[in-house]
Amino acid sequence: GAVVSQHPSRVICKSGTSVKIECRSLDFQATTMFWYRQFPKQSLMLMATSNEGSKATYEQGVEKDKFLINHASLTLSTLTVTSAHPEDSSFYICSAPKRQGVPYGYTFGSGTRLTVV
Amino acid sequence: SQELEQSPQSLIVQEGKNLTINCTSSKTLYGLYWYKQKYGEGLIFLMMLQKGGEEKSHEKITAKLDEKKQQSSLHITASQPSHAGIYLCGAAPGTSYGKLTFGQGTILTVHP
Repeated sequence: GAVVSQHPSRVICKSGTSVKIECRSLDFQATTMFWYRQFPKQSLMLMATSNEGSKATYEQGVEKDKFLINHASLTLSTLTVTSAHPEDSSFYICSAPKRQGVPYGYTFGSGTRLTVV
Repeated sequence: SQELEQSPQSLIVQEGKNLTINCTSSKTLYGLYWYKQKYGEGLIFLMMLQKGGEEKSHEKITAKLDEKKQQSSLHITASQPSHAGIYLCGAAPGTSYGKLTFGQGTILTVHP
């Protein structure tokens, strides 16, 4: 139980276009979703925290206007990379607190590899 | 914010060797998570430690949390190529499910 489904798994887009990444909680209500990005051979860096029905909280240094986060329902959070550039190419992954079941703690999506050409 | 220092940053071992990865926190750990990942793929949950002095094992991997709850170690016995990947320690502030932040990661390579 407590699965987060993330789509797409891979996306290639042209520079200047926008890309939307979705994370859906399939069998539980995710009131909170954390969004991370990861560069090759590096760790996960927290970008922002989204809470259902309220504005996302961004970590220092993350551009709010570039990385739009929407958490309109208890089962869906989205990250939109606007006006994407090659430097936005990265691995993006979402995570939701999982308050029951084993393993407890946090459940992660499978990630999205974004390539901007 | 919770800061985690992970060491070493990379590790290359011969198959069959034992190895240890350390994770040190700037603050008291209320929950310390260990994950394994291959870049571009999702995270595989390994273990979660909460109590000072706690030790957990799964197959050939053992994780410990020290009594002061500020340092954790991950030990792999008789490493295999399948153990290769990125090992990440993560922690959240306090006892609630707050934002999970990660150490820098340890890239493990196991040569057959």
